[in-house]
Amino acid sequence: KAGVTQTPRYLIKTRGQQVTLSCSPISGHRSVSWYQQTPGQGLQFLFEYFSETQRNKGNFPGRFSGRQFSNSRSEMNVSTLELGDSALYLCASSLVGGQDIQYFGAGTRLSVL
Amino acid sequence: DQQVKQNSPSLSVQEGRISILNCDYTNSMFDYFLWYKKYPAEGPTFLISISSIKDKNEDGRFTVFLNKSAKHLSLHIVPSQPGDSAVYFCAATTTGNQFYFGTGTSLTVIP
Repeated sequence: KAGVTQTPRYLIKTRGQQVTLSCSPISGHRSVSWYQQTPGQGLQFLFEYFSETQRNKGNFPGRFSGRQFSNSRSEMNVSTLELGDSALYLCASSLVGGQDIQYFGAGTRLSVL
Repeated sequence: DQQVKQNSPSLSVQEGRISILNCDYTNSMFDYFLWYKKYPAEGPTFLISISSIKDKNEDGRFTVFLNKSAKHLSLHIVPSQPGDSAVYFCAATTTGNQFYFGTGTSLTVIP
């Protein structure tokens, strides 16, 4: 069974631009969560989608948004990029969310210049 | 507000000895705890979990201990192997809610 796939693996953007990251979950998994990892901050929860609906949301500004498609694939978008948005963005999928074990992709490394 | 804390950013242990990684939490409503391991350039992978109704869970060389009164959990690796060198994250959750992760502890097992 294929794992969680995130594309692209690396991105370089400049301040003020916007970016879209993609996540394909494990087949059959309906819950997708997104995290931001920065040095010293660990994994910070962004949001979770289940059956195309945002079910939980972390404490991030509205510049961070996401969506989920009917095939459970998910995208997250960051608008008006800031230098502080430079981070590793991780996507995790699980069968139905809740306390299900989450399986992570390798992440997208975003650098904002 | 960091609800899950790993106060040791790094730990070095000799091969064959015990590695003990610690994690503290502040939310007494957390009822499920997990440990993940992360190698460079890879996503975190699930290692072991424990429900709040237990105080210990074992899986091979890995044992997780939960002390609810102290709001503390620990991961014991015995014996430690060089392949265990990685960053370890603890995580906690309540039913139906998000996972809260710690900041990670980088374990180095010295051959």
